[in-house]
Parts: sequence; C-alpha cells; structure tokens
Amino acid sequence: KQEVTQIPAALSVPEGENLVLNCSFTDSAIYNLQWFRQDPGKGLTSLLLIQSSQREQTSGRLNASLDKSSGRSTLYIAASQPGDSATYLCAVNSGNTGKLIFGQGTTLQVKP
Amino acid sequence: NAGVTQTPKFQVLKTGQSMTLQCAQDMNHNSMYWYRQDPGMGLRLIYYSASEGTTDKGEVPNGYNVSRLNKREFSLRLESAAPSQTSVYFCASTRAPLGVQADKNIQYFGAGTRLSVL
Repeated sequence: KQEVTQIPAALSVPEGENLVLNCSFTDSAIYNLQWFRQDPGKGLTSLLLIQSSQREQTSGRLNASLDKSSGRSTLYIAASQPGDSATYLCAVNSGNTGKLIFGQGTTLQVKP
Repeated sequence: NAGVTQTPKFQVLKTGQSMTLQCAQDMNHNSMYWYRQDPGMGLRLIYYSASEGTTDKGEVPNGYNVSRLNKREFSLRLESAAPSQTSVYFCASTRAPLGVQADKNIQYFGAGTRLSVL
C-alpha cells in the first residue's frame, strides 16, 4: 500500500530564505506526483505536477524534483516571502484512475 | 469559468440526519473525486468517478454514496450522518487521470464543505 510522508510537519523561516520541503513515498511505481498549496480554510491549488518520466518541474520561484528510485520528491522555494505562508501538500498518483494518495502536509510560516 | 463549485460551504447536522453535498465543474473534465480532510489524517479519497456513468470506492467509502449525475456533476450523500463524519469535504476533477500532457492530469479542487455532525 502506497504511503506518503512529509517532513517536517511545520517550518518557520525568515523572509528571503531559500527552503526545501520534503516528500517521501513507499512504492516507486507512480504515474505522477503533484504539489499543492492550501491556505487556511480554503481548497487546494495545484503548484506543480511531475510525470514519472521527469526529474523536475519549475514554476517561477518554485522547483520540484522527483527521484523515483529513492521514493523522494522535494519542493524548493527560492527567496521566500510572507505570502508563501501556507500548508504544502504532496500527492502521489499510483493508479490509472487519478486517485491521489496525500501526505499530511508541511505548514510553512515565512516571517517578515 | 468558475472551476469546481461545491455547495453548501457549511453544514451542521444531527446524528442520523441525511444530506447531499453537491459538486459541479465547468471545465469539461472526465474524472471527478470526493475527498475528506481530517486533522492529522491528511486527505483521503472517499469515492471517485473515472468517467461519466462510472463510480468506484476509494479508501474510506463506508457511510457514503455517490451519484455521477452527468459529466458536470458528482454528488456525495450521507444517508445517516454520524459524528465520525465531521470533516471538511473536497470535490476535485481532472480532464484525464493519466496522459502524456501533464496539464491534463492536474486535479482542480473546490473550496470545500465544512460539515459538523452533532
């Protein structure tokens, strides 16, 4: 059974710092991995999707990497800003129906 | 283009009452999903519909039923609500669950329904 773990559960950094969020999964047979952002009381917003054949994806200050063999993905946020404060979730798609298995998320606080 | 719309946004039920959570998407997506989010448990899949006319159980289907009314709408029904069903419920959709084009696989989420069962 696929399990997804995110460490740390919470992170607090000063504004401007570069940071890395970690995601690990137990079964390397995945189709894709998605990173989402969730603001308090809101729904999820997709940030990046990495196909199983890809090693990384970039969008603005965000860069996500994927290492299937080791069962790991990282989300790199450059030059963090207070507006980046949110919960970041990674989710793995292991089947052909789009069912996602989520990690429990990392709650990020960027202090001005 | 509203994306994924969920109604209601908030609901309080008494144990044993029934209700239906509504979800509609206007992106012509094929697949739709219902998740619940609980503190410390993350999001877990309740039911999904890979395409119009099909539905299947997810990880935590007990106590729920679903209907894929048409391509746009996917509803979740609680027949006899229990306190354990207190949660935040999210509906999501995607154009295609898999494919070469990554943007077709992205799941889009609604704003959620916050349900309390007393």
